[in-house]
Formats: sequence, C-alpha cells, structure tokens
Amino acid sequence: GENVEQHPSTLSVQEGDSAVIKCTYSDSASNYFPWYKQELGKRPQLIIDIRSNVGEKKDQRIAVTLNKTAKHFSLHITETQPEDSAVYFCAASMSGANSKLTFGKGITLSVRP
Amino acid sequence: GAVVSQHPSRVICKSGTSVKIECRSLDFQATTMFWYRQFPKQSLMLMATSNEGSKATYEQGVEKDKFLINHASLTLSTLTVTSAHPEDSSFYICSARSQGASEQYFGPGTRLTVT
Repeated sequence: GENVEQHPSTLSVQEGDSAVIKCTYSDSASNYFPWYKQELGKRPQLIIDIRSNVGEKKDQRIAVTLNKTAKHFSLHITETQPEDSAVYFCAASMSGANSKLTFGKGITLSVRP
Repeated sequence: GAVVSQHPSRVICKSGTSVKIECRSLDFQATTMFWYRQFPKQSLMLMATSNEGSKATYEQGVEKDKFLINHASLTLSTLTVTSAHPEDSSFYICSARSQGASEQYFGPGTRLTVT
C-alpha cells in the first residue's frame, strides 16, 4: 500500500519568513495530494491540493509543488503569520470510488512573532 | 460549501455502555464517508470507509462488531462504539466525499471519554 513520509516533525520560523514542508510518497499510482491544516482540538481543514497532471498550484500565500519522478510534494507558505501555527498533514491517494487518503504523520509549524 | 457536522462534540460515558456519533454532510451528498481516530499529537488513523447503502469496509485491526458503522443516507453516517472501555477514549473524526470527487471534508470531531 501507499506510504507517506513527512519530515521533520517540527518546524519553527520567524514571522514573515517562508516555510517549506516536504512529503514523499511510495506508490506511483497516487495522483491526488491534499494538504490539511489542523489547529489544536479542531478539525483538519483542506488548504490546498494538487493532482498529478499539474506541477504547481498557488493560492495566495500558499503553494504546492509536485515532483512525480522523485515522488515528493511540498507545501510552501510565504510571509508566515502567527495564525499559520498549526499541525500540517500531507496525504496521497489514487482515484476511484474505493480510494482512500494515506496521511503523513504531520508537522507542527510554529511561527514566532 | 462542503460543510460536515458531527454530533456530539464531547461525550462521557461509563465503561460497558454504547455511544453513537453522527456525521452529516450539510450542503452536499456524501456517497462516501470515512471514520478516523486520532490520538494526541498523532496523525489520523483510518478506521473504516462507508459507502451509502453498503456495508462499511474496515481497516485491518479494527473490530467491526465493536465499531458499528451505518451509512443509511447520502447525508448521514453513524459510528456506534459498543461496550465502550477506557481504551476507546479518543478523538473520533469523520470525513465526507461526494461522488467522483477526490476532496474529503472533515467534521469537527467527537471527544469520547470512557470512565
């Protein structure tokens, strides 16, 4: 089955700096890669996703890049703000009615004011 | 759009009793719903996948007779934890997906405490 690795487990940046979170996946058949943000005690929120027919996608301060050859994808947050502090999960899945997401272990991002 | 609700948000029950958690998609039809369990500072662990009108598919190691899942309509799935024990205490989260879509949207979670 699919295996999604996420490193490191924690990341601390200064407010205003950029943060990059990387994930690798193992199954070349995976073609959908979402990123979720989860604040303490709350639900995971879908913040951006990318499909395998696209190399990069951007939404305001957030972007995701995908390298299918190397089987890794990254979340880029620019101009970080304290409210970006949360746990970020990457995930991967294939298409189809029976598909399911495989999640990474999550990374705790801390933005220092 | 894509709002998923979950009820209750918190529940405390005594050991040996059963607890039912509801997951609803409020503004879309969820042909597939997923139930996850999350321990503190850990990732989401998929327990089972339910398709409307079909029996749920359970992940390896998840007892289907203990965690009963019903997906009777396109907007409602329920998880019943039967004969709950303290080790069942956890954060249970559902997610929902519409037909043909890849995106999953999560409910707010239910904090279960078994005393």
